[in-house]
Amino acid sequence: GIQVEQSPPDLILQEGANSTLRCNFSDSVNNLQWFHQNPWGQLINLFYIPSGTKQNGRLSATTVATERYSLLYISSSQTTDSGVYFCAVVKGSSNTGKLIFGQGTTLQVKP
Amino acid sequence: DAGVIQSPRHEVTEMGQEVTLRCKPISGHNSLFWYRQTMMRGLELLIYFNNNVPIDDSGMPEDRFSAKMPNASFSTLKIQPSEPRDSAVYFCASSLWGPMGTEAFFGQGTRLTVV
Repeated sequence: GIQVEQSPPDLILQEGANSTLRCNFSDSVNNLQWFHQNPWGQLINLFYIPSGTKQNGRLSATTVATERYSLLYISSSQTTDSGVYFCAVVKGSSNTGKLIFGQGTTLQVKP
Repeated sequence: DAGVIQSPRHEVTEMGQEVTLRCKPISGHNSLFWYRQTMMRGLELLIYFNNNVPIDDSGMPEDRFSAKMPNASFSTLKIQPSEPRDSAVYFCASSLWGPMGTEAFFGQGTRLTVV
């Protein structure tokens, strides 16, 4: 099956710093999503981005499908950004939307 | 729409008991997924349905686990008998799947503790 690798596994930032999270995948995809799992365990949709670039406030994401990677940028980080960030993909040949997750990046933003 | 609704939010049960987790997907969505999250294994897909039909249950751990989707607005995940190693957070997700793909949304999860 398709492999999804995220890096770094852990990240500690000072409030106000910027960061880049990476997601590599081993096959073509027709769906890629970024999620934030907050400290209460909720999975929050950040971006649906199978290709191209999107921005939402301090967060932006870029997916280069031909090179099989996606990046999530967090600017001017805040303590509320803490949690785990997941990348999840649907394989390009899939006809049912089976979403496969990476292992996540755990982010801690210190005040 | 209220989003994907799961119940209960928390469940504590004794080993050997039957546990039933419930999910109401977003209205109009045609795909439903059950995931399990543990520290050791991360988020793993247990089973998914497309148009109420189970498409792939290869992630279901063993015969103690079963899932049903009797209609487009309701699904259950049952564990019988439950064991301590089943303790985890169980998520349900739904999407409107089509040729171009679409976004999946998750419920708030059910935290299951088997003692």
